[in-house]
Amino acid sequence: DTAVSQTPKYLVTQMGNDKSIKCEQNLGHDTMYWYKQDSKKFLKIMFSYNNKELIINETVPNRFSPKSPDKAHLNLHINSLELGDSAVYFCASSPGMRGGNQPQHFGDGTRLSIL
Amino acid sequence: QQPVQSPQAVILREGEDAVINCSSSKALYSVHWYRQKHGEAPVFLMILLKGGEQKGHDKISASFNEKKQQSSLYLTASQLSYSGTYFCGTARTSGTYKYIFGTGTRLKVLA
Repeated sequence: DTAVSQTPKYLVTQMGNDKSIKCEQNLGHDTMYWYKQDSKKFLKIMFSYNNKELIINETVPNRFSPKSPDKAHLNLHINSLELGDSAVYFCASSPGMRGGNQPQHFGDGTRLSIL
Repeated sequence: QQPVQSPQAVILREGEDAVINCSSSKALYSVHWYRQKHGEAPVFLMILLKGGEQKGHDKISASFNEKKQQSSLYLTASQLSYSGTYFCGTARTSGTYKYIFGTGTRLKVLA
């Protein structure tokens, strides 16, 4: 059983389109995250949710809207896609209430390419 | 501010040792280490919570010097499976949900 699963694995689309990425974790964790990994491999946090509540919004354009229907799911919707959005997006989860001492479990990533 | 890792890249032969450093400009509460193989997700290796703490995992160990705001990852007698990009992930406080990852170190082990 996959612990953190993301769909789709690959996403190729045109500029201006709207797309969504889904993430689910079956680890019973309280906290979920979205990260963006650019072409230079830098991993940057975008959002963090704890028990369905948004905790961190890391100055991400408001074209990106996360939604957490329950603590096992965190989806990412992106409006009006731009060339600069091309990247690998990773979902992750960690247990417990406090993040600073909790290991993170990552999904396999969604490779988003904007044409 | 993103922690800086050094070296940026390293090539080793099987059996050789390597040290990867992670330096932060801000005080840290904890340091996590992850390895990411090409095309895969980052995988958690270990976490260091206290200053001066050293942790080991097989032939991979790490130290955390909170006064110097840095951590080092030690890989001894490297194996082919150690190849990948290593990231330090840092948290500034115990209650934070915000991790800041380092710049990454690409490590390749040759037979």
